[in-house]
Amino acid sequence: QVQLQESGSGLVKPSQTLSLTCTVSRGAINPAGYSWGWIRQAPGKALEWIGNIDHVGTTYYNPSLRSRVALSVDTFRRQFSLRLTSVTAADTAIYFCARVKWDNWFDSWGHGTHVFVSS
Amino acid sequence: VMTQSPATLSVSPGEGVTLSCRASQDVTNGVAWYQQKHGRAPRLLIYGVSTRATGIPATFSGNGSATEFALTISSLQTEDFALYYCQQYKMRPTTFGQGTRLEIK
Repeated sequence: QVQLQESGSGLVKPSQTLSLTCTVSRGAINPAGYSWGWIRQAPGKALEWIGNIDHVGTTYYNPSLRSRVALSVDTFRRQFSLRLTSVTAADTAIYFCARVKWDNWFDSWGHGTHVFVSS
Repeated sequence: VMTQSPATLSVSPGEGVTLSCRASQDVTNGVAWYQQKHGRAPRLLIYGVSTRATGIPATFSGNGSATEFALTISSLQTEDFALYYCQQYKMRPTTFGQGTRLEIK
């Protein structure tokens, strides 16, 4: 069973850049039919999809965040990463990484990491 | 937009329950359901409207089409009291409902 683990800065100042990494273990980083995604959950809010990336770097972003988001993948390190620029308090959330089947549903998730945006 | 109802449902263990999810547009069979406990990682239950994910017991079932979808839990166990989300992946961007919380009556 594939395992995913998020890591990165838990506290980010407003206007700065949020950076998170997801490490994949017990499974391939380049499985056929799968990509890798980020989803977030603000306090008391529903899940919000951020974007997906596959093992060759093809990306899909939520239009609401596209201007501020960049995903990248490092197959050698078995990691994929999220950068979100110009953060505000509205970006405070639990950030989850996940494996995505056919860019559709999310079949394995990391435990999530809390990110707070505050000065 | 995916709209789930009700927001909270109080049910007794052993009873069955049906959670509803309505899409604002036809999403054909592009719907998945997830269970989330206490802010932990969501767990995939159902994809393709009615296909159970690996390891999900047969007490969970999904059905529906076009804009109306449902998740049924046939006999609630203590561990089933949690938050449930639907997701549509037919339209881009993929979106989630606001969730239905199942609580013990």
